[in-house]
Formats: sequence, C-alpha cells, structure tokens
Amino acid sequence: AQKITQTQPGMFVQEKEAVTLDCTYDTSDPSYGLFWYKQPSSGEMIFLIYQGSYDQQNATEGRYSLNFQKARKSANLVISASQLGDSAMYFCAMSPSTGANNLFFGTGTRLTVIP
Amino acid sequence: EPEVTQTPSHQVTQMGQEVILRCVPISNHLYFYWYRQILGQKVEFLVSFYNNEISEKSEIFDDQFSVERPDGSNFTLKIRSTKLEDSAMYFCASSPTATEAFFGQGTRLTVV
Repeated sequence: AQKITQTQPGMFVQEKEAVTLDCTYDTSDPSYGLFWYKQPSSGEMIFLIYQGSYDQQNATEGRYSLNFQKARKSANLVISASQLGDSAMYFCAMSPSTGANNLFFGTGTRLTVIP
Repeated sequence: EPEVTQTPSHQVTQMGQEVILRCVPISNHLYFYWYRQILGQKVEFLVSFYNNEISEKSEIFDDQFSVERPDGSNFTLKIRSTKLEDSAMYFCASSPTATEAFFGQGTRLTVV
C-alpha cells in the first residue's frame, strides 16, 4: 500500500525567500512517480512538478524544484523567490507506477507568503 | 493553452437524485481520471479510464458510480442515487502518457 505524509499543516515564508515543503512516502512498488500540485483558494488543482523514481536528477520547473532523496523516501518541494501568488495549499502525491495512474495524495500544506 | 474543462462548476441536488458530472479532457490525452475532495480533506482517487474502459478504481467507486466516454470528447461521472456524504469537489483529470495529470477546475457537488 502507498502512503504519503506531509507533516507541515501550515508554513509561512517571507516574499522573495525560498521555502521547502516536506513530503515523505512509503511504497513497496519498485517504480513510482511523485507529484506536487498547488490548490489556490479558488479550488482548482494545478500540476507543478513530477519526479520518476528512476530519474537520476532532481526535477526542476522554473521556481519549483523537487529534492528527491530516494533512500530517505522523501520528495520535498522547494519554491525559490516566493511570490504572493504562491499562497495556496500544496499537495504531494504518488502514483504506484511511473505514470499518473491512481494518485495517492497527502493531506497538504497551506503556504502563506508574507509581504 | 489546452485545459481540462468541467461542467457545471457547482451542482446542487436532492438526496436520492442522479447527477452527471461532465468533463472535456485535453484533446490528445489518452488517460482519464476522476478524483474527489471532501471539504477540508485530501484529494481521493475514484477511477481511471483508458482505451474506453476502466483501468482501475478505488473502494469509493462502488455500484452507485459509473463513468462513460459517450463520444470522442466528453468523459462523464454519474452518481446514481446521491447521498449526503457524496457532497464534495469532483475533479476530472487527463494525461497524455500517464506521467503527469492535468486537472480541471472541479465541480462542487452539494447534496441536500
């Protein structure tokens, strides 16, 4: 069975600073995918970044990077140069294969960017 | 930029009634999904659909739920006899190669 844990219910960051949102996972599958989604107050789910379990390098997408530490089973999201528009809920998710089939989501972290 | 479109954005229905939630996935995508999010809780997988059939479903997706791709563009979720606990945000998602899922803006279902 898969399990995703986000231990930070809420985080604050100063505008223009970097912030790390924690995510740990547990799975017995040999291959899997890790995802981060952003959910603003309007409710939609916005895909941010994906990391496959066999990817050698950490994924990056603009200001987002995924700090993938396979041995520790962690997939932390790093947001650099935070902006006010980054204030939202952030969900870590995992798929049991390297695809997006059947995502298991964590409970989320609410990020608030302070001006 | 192509996006997943869901209609309606908000649906209110009486308990026991049938509802159909509609989704138009991104046109060249092959994998389709439904998820739900009860208010204040995490997003939960309901069902995945590929090649015109269900590829996987969760325990939540019981006999009151069904999915259909009636034509080349729409993907629907039907809830046959709604219960109060079905009130949630329902998200449709699609994926081109099953490595990233793009979500629609959601349909908020309220059962009264």
